Amino acid sequence: SAVISQKPSRDICQRGTSLTIQCQVDSQVTMMFWYRQQPGQSLTLIATANQGSEATYESGFVIDKFPISRPNLTFSTLTVSNMSPEDSSIYLCSVEGLIGNEQFFGPGTRLTVL
Amino acid sequence: AQSVAQPEDQVNVAEGNPLTVKCTYSVSGNPYLFWYVQYPNRGLQFLLKYITGDNLVKGSYGFEAEFNKSQTSFHLKKPSALVSDSALYFCAVRGDGGATNKLIFGTGTLLAVQP
Repeated sequence: SAVISQKPSRDICQRGTSLTIQCQVDSQVTMMFWYRQQPGQSLTLIATANQGSEATYESGFVIDKFPISRPNLTFSTLTVSNMSPEDSSIYLCSVEGLIGNEQFFGPGTRLTVL
Repeated sequence: AQSVAQPEDQVNVAEGNPLTVKCTYSVSGNPYLFWYVQYPNRGLQFLLKYITGDNLVKGSYGFEAEFNKSQTSFHLKKPSALVSDSALYFCAVRGDGGATNKLIFGTGTLLAVQP
């Protein structure tokens, strides 16, 4: 399985500011995924990030609010822009395993917006 | 549309007793089914998967799950629960149709194992 790290692990931010979350994988992967887990809720896919192309966003999520970068095969960033308290969530990145279709998840970034 | 249902918000079981966490799904094509566990303040850990083959799949920490196509279910089981199994469990599905690798997650079931 891939080893995935995320930075920061948690942050407390003010309304109207932006936060960039980093996701680093210890091996090259084609697809990386960004999820949001709102308090007490399940995981919702925000977007799929492929290296060398624009990210693909799910319904309800837009690039202006959640810009994503994917500069190489081991790294991605997700920015949460112009934050409001409703953005308080855990944000997780994941990658698909080389064999078997399962996804492996990073430890998550716990974001609180005041 | 793909969907996953976990009908129980919480399952309580005594240590040493068998446990079952329920999951049903709806998907186009053949299902790829997964179970994940989330401990407090931790990310998701992969437990097991069903892609094809034997309906009973075995995974990490002594967990197993049974794929039942006629009932569209994929219940998670363990013969003897441990207090350390207490965590939030998520069932997830994706279909084999199309190019998407998108996983759809259930709402999660909190497993509480009492000593």
